[in-house]
Amino acid sequence: NAGVTQTPKFQVLKTGQSMTLQCAQDMNHEYMSWYRQDPGMGLRLIHYSVGAGITDQGEVPNGYNVSRSTTEDFPLRLLSAAPSQTSVYFCASSYSGERDSPLHFGNGTRLTVT
Amino acid sequence: GQQLNQSPQSMFIQEGEDVSMNCTSSSIFNTWLWYKQDPGEGPVLLIALYKAGELTSNGRLTAQFGITRKDSFLNISASIPSDVGIYFCAGHAGTYKYIFGTGTRLKVLA
Repeated sequence: NAGVTQTPKFQVLKTGQSMTLQCAQDMNHEYMSWYRQDPGMGLRLIHYSVGAGITDQGEVPNGYNVSRSTTEDFPLRLLSAAPSQTSVYFCASSYSGERDSPLHFGNGTRLTVT
Repeated sequence: GQQLNQSPQSMFIQEGEDVSMNCTSSSIFNTWLWYKQDPGEGPVLLIALYKAGELTSNGRLTAQFGITRKDSFLNISASIPSDVGIYFCAGHAGTYKYIFGTGTRLKVLA
């Protein structure tokens, strides 16, 4: 079991460029989510999904799009990157997203927008 | 929005010492989780707590779910150099969302 796999590990973008951060899990988890981690801010929820075809916004969704066409994959899209999106991005999954279902994290994508 | 306050923000300790950190909230949570993050990696689950008053251990780590359901505590006994890292608490906020604290950065002096 690979768990939660994120690619790429590092990325540098220029302002206005677009890109997709990939996330895949092989644990048959229904719930998947994206967080961003900034110094002194902890982890903040961007978007989440409770199953294929179902997504919803988290705390900081602006500037990001998601879709969930399969149970395994949950890509995060930046349509027009801004310097404020420089951060470390973590994908996390759990069995159901309910209170008895802890999150399992990938190893992150470090994104720099210049 | 909901916030979790973690303290201390950072701490230096000597190898062999015991460590205590806590997490407090203005809201009630039904689940508390504790994670550790090593440099360049994602957070790894240490302990999960599901019931007010619950005390759970994982090796040298012990965590407690506060009786008011608004706080949680993590203790590490006899710290070793590999305990270095950032420790995060998280509370389940209902509607499929976990809220994370800002972390406690632990540094161990050999």
